[in-house]
Amino acid sequence: QVQLVESGGGLVKPGGSLRLSCAASGFTFSDYYMSWIRQAPGKGLEWVSYISSSGSTIYYADSVKGRFTISRDNAKNSLYLQMNSLRAEDTAVYYCARVHWGNWFDPWGQGTLVTVSS
Amino acid sequence: SYVLTQPPSVSVAPGQTARITCGGNNIGSKSVHWYQQKPGQAPVLVVYDDSDRPSGIPERFSGSNSGNTATLTISRVEAGDEADYYCQVWDSSSDPRGVVFGGGTKLTVL
Repeated sequence: QVQLVESGGGLVKPGGSLRLSCAASGFTFSDYYMSWIRQAPGKGLEWVSYISSSGSTIYYADSVKGRFTISRDNAKNSLYLQMNSLRAEDTAVYYCARVHWGNWFDPWGQGTLVTVSS
Repeated sequence: SYVLTQPPSVSVAPGQTARITCGGNNIGSKSVHWYQQKPGQAPVLVVYDDSDRPSGIPERFSGSNSGNTATLTISRVEAGDEADYYCQVWDSSSDPRGVVFGGGTKLTVL
């Protein structure tokens, strides 16, 4: 079955860096766009970034542009999010999700928690 | 940037119909997608492209979209439908273009 498993979350100090990974299985990863979406504690969903199947097209939310970098390795069926210059407001559960042609997300991974605190 | 507005909460008795709205400027010209999120769980797609249902989603879930309002309708509401619901669109008209989520609606089953 289609599965997405995130990893790499944890506690990091403000200004620090973290790299999230998302391992995909059960589908042809290289055929799909992928995305990262986050959810701060007790808050709603916030889209973070989006990458095309080849990696040639990338979009970022204004809140992370210049600090976060999305990438993928189709040979390893993996999606990544490099997060630099982290701030307290980046504290959230980060989900990876498969993007369908109409720009909807299905399925989502279980999420990984990133906490930015001194 | 494009904004989607949802009511913070909707309450309904079991067996009744719940309607959750998602407002946006000329949202009827966009495709709207809906997600259900139960506490401690990842979101699940329940409606895509305004009114289509993924496999495994009950027919009780339906959607519509016209003018400035999209609506998720849940018929014959059950206790298990209690969750947060989010609408989502792709905004290609703003700079930068990207994904927009509504603020979410908490559905309470009385």
